[in-house]
Amino acid sequence: DSGVTQTPKHLITATGQRVTLRCSPRSGDLSVYWYQQSLDQGLQFLIQYYNGEERAKGNILERFSAQQFPDLHSELNLSSLELGDSALYFCASSAAGLADYEQYFGPGTRLTVT
Amino acid sequence: AQTVTQSQPEMSVQEAETVTLSCTYDTSESDYYLFWYKQPPSRQMILVIRQEAYKQQNATENRFSVNFQKAAKSFSLKISDSQLGDAAMYFCAYRSADNFNKFYFGSGTKLNVKP
Repeated sequence: DSGVTQTPKHLITATGQRVTLRCSPRSGDLSVYWYQQSLDQGLQFLIQYYNGEERAKGNILERFSAQQFPDLHSELNLSSLELGDSALYFCASSAAGLADYEQYFGPGTRLTVT
Repeated sequence: AQTVTQSQPEMSVQEAETVTLSCTYDTSESDYYLFWYKQPPSRQMILVIRQEAYKQQNATENRFSVNFQKAAKSFSLKISDSQLGDAAMYFCAYRSADNFNKFYFGSGTKLNVKP
């Protein structure tokens, strides 16, 4: 158990709908990252937050948005969903300091758009 | 921005044999961290091994070891005595040593283990 939690585990929704994925980082971790992974593909970096502020942006569509709240949990909002958005969405967290520098991954949310 | 390249999309190894997965990266930084993550069919991301750039000694974790060549910007993963459970996608990753905690991942290498 990495200590990173993601809810829900599975989500099935229809095209055009909007969903929210939730992530709770490890206790004390200030950085949260979101990744998208389609079947048999690599990790596509979407966005990073550090202590509530957006730190880096990757290939995130305009239909997607994210935020990190004061309690450090993060939400990824996906709107106007398309079939191609079906994927596994990972959240990961890492510590601020250099003593503990790896990235810890949650179990992922599997999104299916029908 | 830093880039991480895994030039082998897929590899195969016989059970009990040794296999080496390649990873190169591009950076202008002198201090950073490197990782290998494993993603089995369950799709959970599991840290296999880590390496600090300031350490000359190559990291080892049981059957897993790395060959870290800082000047060549190369970070290969060697798996000895391969087991069926090693079959997975392997991702190489780079992290800056600054406080921004930026990570960069390679495209992955799919490892097949033949019985």
